[in-house]
Amino acid sequence: QSVLIQPPSASGTPGQRVTISCSGSSSNIGSNTVNWYQQVPGTAPKLLIYSNNQRPSGVPDRFSGSRSGTSASLAISGLQSEDEADYYCAAWDDGQVGGVFGGGTKLTV
Amino acid sequence: EVQLLESGGGLVPPGGSLRLSCAASGFTFSGHAMSWVRQAPGKGLEWVSGISGSGGATYYAPSVKGRFTLSRDNSKNTLYLQMNSLRVDDTAVYYCAKDQAAAVWSNFDYWGQGTLVTVSS
Repeated sequence: QSVLIQPPSASGTPGQRVTISCSGSSSNIGSNTVNWYQQVPGTAPKLLIYSNNQRPSGVPDRFSGSRSGTSASLAISGLQSEDEADYYCAAWDDGQVGGVFGGGTKLTV
Repeated sequence: EVQLLESGGGLVPPGGSLRLSCAASGFTFSGHAMSWVRQAPGKGLEWVSGISGSGGATYYAPSVKGRFTLSRDNSKNTLYLQMNSLRVDDTAVYYCAKDQAAAVWSNFDYWGQGTLVTVSS
């Protein structure tokens, strides 16, 4: 059981908007920033969102992140077929004194 | 261009040891924290261990604490993970990841391609 809880799957049709949730606690999301990673099966993960809502250069503005209390969410608008991948949230956990990932959400387009 | 090249993976029996290496290039190695993240077959990502840019601070996941040791040689731009007392559930692809900052855990802006560790008799 992962420390950060994500839905195992999500789906949408091209052009739609989807959101993926990430639920934590006061020791992780509640007190530290959240990062999101995208992983196409068979490849290394890629940084998608950092510091809750910042996009690295090269990441389309269709991707956005937010955090509220002990939860965070990733939103993808204008869904495209190439967005089909696994998505992971991650945060530092003050209790474990280490990083924690969510279990991952498989997005089907 | 940032490159992270992992090596050292392979097949090892339960209770055995293995040392992973990650050769880095294309950035000022000592200026960035580094971590190992693993992924068991068909499973999600699990952070394993992280080390600050200077090497002065190291952190471990509860699942590997006391068995794994993370170190770095900034003169060789190389990260090491010494894994002892390996268990079947340590079987995974191990990724080397570069932190954006010198302190452990800002965000992982570059990842290696991974090296497979299989623990089996």
